Amino acid sequence: AQSVTQLDSHVSVSEGTPVLLRCNYSSSYSPSLFWYVQHPNKGLQLLLKYTSAATLVKGINGFEAEFKKSETSFHLTKPSAHMSDAAEYFCVLDNYGQNFVFGPGTRLSVLP
Amino acid sequence: SAVISQKPSRDICQRGTSLTIQCQVDSQVTMMFWYRQQPGQSLTLIATANQGSEATYESGFVIDKFPISRPNLTFSTLTVSNMSPEDSSIYLCSVEDQNSSYEQYFGPGTRLTVT
Repeated sequence: AQSVTQLDSHVSVSEGTPVLLRCNYSSSYSPSLFWYVQHPNKGLQLLLKYTSAATLVKGINGFEAEFKKSETSFHLTKPSAHMSDAAEYFCVLDNYGQNFVFGPGTRLSVLP
Repeated sequence: SAVISQKPSRDICQRGTSLTIQCQVDSQVTMMFWYRQQPGQSLTLIATANQGSEATYESGFVIDKFPISRPNLTFSTLTVSNMSPEDSSIYLCSVEDQNSSYEQYFGPGTRLTVT
């Protein structure tokens, strides 16, 4: 079965410091992976996606993620956090191209 | 990319009643999905709706409780039947991007509160 684990339910960083949101997956094949962000009372927005091309993926708003097959990981990073980055982040795995399997989410807080 | 709208954006309903949520897409898509996001939780897939066929429900979800229609390639409805407070959630529809590997676009969601 396909599954996604986000190791931290809540991450708190200071503005201007790096962000690391961890994601591990379990899949019997080479999956496509995504990071989505959900701001309070707003819809889901795609940050970036990995679909078997370059393992280092750059997304919007300065975020990037690296696909590491040996570690079954797809961690999300950003060099410098901004107050507007405070939101819920979901790591998502595609299920044989049919539907999505969502991780439990990580709430990112950015302190001034 | 696809632009998705949902109606209503939010509603407060009494237990025992039913609510139908509409999802409209600005382009023709093959696959549409309905998700539920319970308070403070992640998203859980309810069902996949393909035009011209019966919806496929995930484990734990049944057609009698969540009937779905998919009359054409740009529209779908999800009905939450015989509601109870446990049905209070955000319900989201999404579509698969036909031109981008497995990418999905999500509607803004319908926030349902059952009293």
